[in-house]
Amino acid sequence: DTEVTQTPKHLVMGMTNKKSLKCEQHMGHRAMYWYKQKAKKPPELMFVYSYEKLSINESVPSRFSPECPNSSLLNLHLHALQPEDSALYLCASSLPPSTFADTQYFGPGTRLTVL
Amino acid sequence: AQSVTQLDSQVPVFEEAPVELRCNYSSSVSVYLFWYVQYPNQGLQLLLKYLSGSTLVESINGFEAEFNKSQTSFHLRKPSVHISDTAEYFCAVRGISSGSARQLTFGSGTQLTVLP
Repeated sequence: DTEVTQTPKHLVMGMTNKKSLKCEQHMGHRAMYWYKQKAKKPPELMFVYSYEKLSINESVPSRFSPECPNSSLLNLHLHALQPEDSALYLCASSLPPSTFADTQYFGPGTRLTVL
Repeated sequence: AQSVTQLDSQVPVFEEAPVELRCNYSSSVSVYLFWYVQYPNQGLQLLLKYLSGSTLVESINGFEAEFNKSQTSFHLRKPSVHISDTAEYFCAVRGISSGSARQLTFGSGTQLTVLP
């Protein structure tokens, strides 16, 4: 099973709202990732968690706050977003980065619209 | 640091015709190579990957790619495409060494459109 699930599938929020995106995997992976993808563009890495610890933050604005409560779950908390933050948010997971062949498997994404 | 170039942003092709999607990369370290496919309004699905061993790798739905180290290429091919292959295809590389080079670097993508 190489499934990564993400909820919700779609999210519409105002600039003053607080919302959260959720990602879950049960493949025993110990690395999890958040990507942002704008239309017709490749995914852009936002955050990497390795063994439930934040290992990479690609200079993402503080209005995006990641959280990894356990090895299977990854959240992305959203607050005071801007319309330009509208995008497809993808979660991925893999074996730990030090492992040979740590292939990333992606979820279906959450389509976020900020009004 | 690595970079990936997908030379064709759009490739239209008729059904049952062959297709090649080109991917070239640049890296100062040895790399693993991947092709991901993204169907409309969906996430990325791993299509195939080269990690080691045979330089020709195949997917379950008829695609294949060949790693050419001397030409730093990993072109994707299919001898006969179907309407259902219409999608965006991303080539990606990841450094084998430690540090930031281990993160995936994506190409800009190629939109494959299969015409009836």
